[in-house]
Amino acid sequence: GENVEQHPSTLSVQEGDSAVIKCTYSDSASNYFPWYKQELGKRPQLIIDIRSNVGEKKDQRIAVTLNKTAKHFSLHITETQPEDSAVYFCAASVIYEKLTFGTGTRLTIIP
Amino acid sequence: DTGVSQNPRHKITKRGQNVTFRCDPISEHNRLYWYRQTLGQGPEFLTYFQNEAQLEKSRLLSDRFSAERPKGSFSTLEIQRTEQGDSAMYLCASSLISGGHGYTFGSGTRLTVV
Repeated sequence: GENVEQHPSTLSVQEGDSAVIKCTYSDSASNYFPWYKQELGKRPQLIIDIRSNVGEKKDQRIAVTLNKTAKHFSLHITETQPEDSAVYFCAASVIYEKLTFGTGTRLTIIP
Repeated sequence: DTGVSQNPRHKITKRGQNVTFRCDPISEHNRLYWYRQTLGQGPEFLTYFQNEAQLEKSRLLSDRFSAERPKGSFSTLEIQRTEQGDSAMYLCASSLISGGHGYTFGSGTRLTVV
C-alpha cells in the first residue's frame, strides 16, 4: 500500500518569510496529491492539490511542485502571515480512492 | 449548507458501550469515506463507499467496526464494545467521481471513551 512521509514535523518561520514542507510517496500508481490545512479542533481544509500530469501549480501565495520520478512533492508558502499558523498535511491517492496522509507539519509564524 | 455534515459533534461513552455516528455527504457526491484521527496524527483511512457499495475496508479495522450506506446517501459508522483506544476524531469525507473537486471533509465526531 501507499506510504507517505512528511518533513519537517515542526517549522517556525518569521512573518513574511517562506515556508516549505516536503513529502515523499511510495506507490507509483498515485496520481493525486492534495495538501490540507487543519486548525485545532477543525476539519482538514483543502488548500491546493496537484495531479500527476502537472509539475507545478500555484494559487496566490501557495504553490505545490511534484516530481514523479523521485516520488516527492512539496508545498511552498510565500510571504507568510500569522493566519498561516496551523498543521499542514500532505496526502496521496489514486484519485477518488482512499487518501493516505502524511504525519503533519505544525507551522508557526513568528510575528 | 451544502457541505458534509456529521452528527453528533461530540460523544462521550463508557467502555463497552456501542456508539453510532452519522455522515451526510454533499448530495450529489457518490463516494463517501471514513477516517479516524488521533491527536497529533494524520487522518487514517477506515473504509469507503461508492453509492451503497463498500469498496474497501482497512485491514486495521477491527470487527467491532462496521459501516453502512444503505441508500447511497448518508452513512453510519458503528463501533461495538468500545475501548479506550477508540477515542479519536472520526472524519467523514465525500467526493464526486469526475467532479474534479477532490474530497470534502466534514467537521468530524469526537469520541471519548471513559
